[in-house]
Amino acid sequence: DAGVIQSPRHEVTEMGQEVTLRCKPISGHNSLFWYRQTMMRGLELLIYFNNNVPIDDSGMPEDRFSAKMPNASFSTLKIQPSEPRDSAVYFCASSTSGGASYNEQFFGPGTRLTVL
Amino acid sequence: AQTVTQSQPEMSVQEAETVTLSCTYDTSESDYYLFWYKQPPSRQMILVIRQEAYKQQNATENRFSVNFQKAAKSFSLKISDSQLGDAAMYFCAYRPVYTGANSKLTFGKGITLSVRP
Repeated sequence: DAGVIQSPRHEVTEMGQEVTLRCKPISGHNSLFWYRQTMMRGLELLIYFNNNVPIDDSGMPEDRFSAKMPNASFSTLKIQPSEPRDSAVYFCASSTSGGASYNEQFFGPGTRLTVL
Repeated sequence: AQTVTQSQPEMSVQEAETVTLSCTYDTSESDYYLFWYKQPPSRQMILVIRQEAYKQQNATENRFSVNFQKAAKSFSLKISDSQLGDAAMYFCAYRPVYTGANSKLTFGKGITLSVRP
């Protein structure tokens, strides 16, 4: 199994540009999570999907951020326009879901975003 | 809202010695999961160990064990026989038990562990 795949691994862009981060979850997983990691705020959940439907987007910082999951095998996180304070590592994670049982979240390698 | 607190930003341990990383949390739920994740310099988040709140027995995974004190809302990680490869950032995390759709993880700020040869 290839695990959760994220692209790109590194992204450097200039303020005001649009940035799109991509994620392919593990096949068979129906929950997908986007996290952001910064020195100041640690790891924060931005949004998560279940069966391609956004369940909780309360962590999305502002309207400049949007996320989509058009099908079970692909999700995007878009920032438009980007700002220097968006610089962070963005993680995607996936898991199975349902019932009261534990469903381990498997993390991708992250995308390091730098906005100049 | 649930919160997870890791008050020690850094710790250091001598190779082959034992180290304990602290974590406290706050919740009004009675059923939940607690986790320790490891993040080495590669950035990959790796699950080290998990504990179900309804279980009184502390979880163990080889050299890793936890001290779970539910009444005190404390969840510490003990690493025995520390190895150089244990050097990483360690995150404590919490998740309520939830039926239906999955529920989110709440992370602490993390602690950087260094291992001295």
